[in-house]
Amino acid sequence: GQQLNQSPQSMFIQEGEDVSMNCTSSSIFNTWLWYKQEPGEGPVLLIALYKAGELTSNGRLTAQFGITRKDSFLNISASIPSDVGIYFCAGLGGSNYKLTFGKGTLLTVNP
Amino acid sequence: DVKVTQSSRYLVKRTGEKVFLECVQDMDHENMFWYRQDPGLGLRLIYFSYDVKMKEKGDIPEGYSVSREKKERFSLILESASTNQTSMYLCASSSPSSLYEQYFGPGTRLTVT
Repeated sequence: GQQLNQSPQSMFIQEGEDVSMNCTSSSIFNTWLWYKQEPGEGPVLLIALYKAGELTSNGRLTAQFGITRKDSFLNISASIPSDVGIYFCAGLGGSNYKLTFGKGTLLTVNP
Repeated sequence: DVKVTQSSRYLVKRTGEKVFLECVQDMDHENMFWYRQDPGLGLRLIYFSYDVKMKEKGDIPEGYSVSREKKERFSLILESASTNQTSMYLCASSSPSSLYEQYFGPGTRLTVT
């Protein structure tokens, strides 16, 4: 089946730093989604991308849909302590029902 | 605002008990999903439903069943709970009108002792 490789697995940064994480796949996806999950909560949708090359922002977050349709990245600028959590990428491929998820990037922000 | 709710945030059950996890969405979404989330394994799809009374197995359906009698409600059933079903269970929903973006509930942390 389809698989997503998400990196890095974890990041420990200082408040104010910028963060970058990415997902790659051997398969083509039609939609890329980025979620954030805080401890004990369900994932919350941050950004959705629908076209190759698309660059979308949501506050301090920016995500891009790769030209090849096989990758996506998420940047967080000027990190703050409340950015702490696990960030997941997810891709929607041939099926409109099922998402393929990355394993997540655990972000820790040191005040 | 989208809303997916799950019946319990925390649940403790004994081995062999029948367990019901309920999920309700108020977005009139056609598709509903049940995942389990375990450290190091990410989110794994158990079952999904694309319409009332319709269901399809996901990647790990063994030991689980589901029920969708109404569009807004999707239930996950553990027929005879086992300790290896201790996990975080997440419900989600999606629709063509929302471009198939999945919206998640807060999760149920199930412990089977």
